[in-house]
Amino acid sequence: EVQLVESGGGLVKPGGSLRLSCAASGSTFSVDWMNWVRQAPGKGLEWVGRIKSTGGGGTTDYAAPVKGRFTISRDDSIETLYLQMNSLKIEDTAVYYCAKVRDPYTFGLDYWGQGALVTVSS
Amino acid sequence: DIQMTQSPSSLSASVGDRVTITCRASQSIDRFLIWYQQKPGRAPKLLIHAATSLQSGVPSRFSGSGSGTDFTLTISSLQPEDFATYYCQQTYSIPHTFGQGTKVEIK
Repeated sequence: EVQLVESGGGLVKPGGSLRLSCAASGSTFSVDWMNWVRQAPGKGLEWVGRIKSTGGGGTTDYAAPVKGRFTISRDDSIETLYLQMNSLKIEDTAVYYCAKVRDPYTFGLDYWGQGALVTVSS
Repeated sequence: DIQMTQSPSSLSASVGDRVTITCRASQSIDRFLIWYQQKPGRAPKLLIHAATSLQSGVPSRFSGSGSGTDFTLTISSLQPEDFATYYCQQTYSIPHTFGQGTKVEIK
């Protein structure tokens, strides 16, 4: 069974940085495309970005609100996905989910982590 | 960016009812449309991919239809465990935008 476990959430001041980790197990992580999705308190889902599998080029794409501030990376040797968040803003406050792509054709997200709460506040 | 608009934003229904949720894309997305279910405090769950394909393990009372710009999610006979918020997502082009959600509540 695929499991994704996020860690690294917490309280950070505006302008600060935080790195989220997502530890994967139960799948062949190296061939998985991975996404980050966030959800502000009481709001809907917002796509943050994705990283292709290393074999697929390992390239990244980002949503406009986070582009240039957030960086997605992966370490296939320890089956871990990362989200480095810099220059954090109050509006980045949200639960952040990592999610595995079902297949690189339809791009549905079939497994999700439990979520990591990031609170940006002074 | 492609905008995804769901309707209604919320609805009240009874157990056994047939429920239909609509999702409209601001431009054609072929069949690159995903449906998720989310319960409070939980991560979303994949229901439908490629507009009409039921994800493994999802009950057959859920079905999806549509292509181009107009899509629907239908629950043929609402069960107590189906009260949740439903989201559509387009995966035709980056960014993979979500609809605003439809909350299905108990009548």
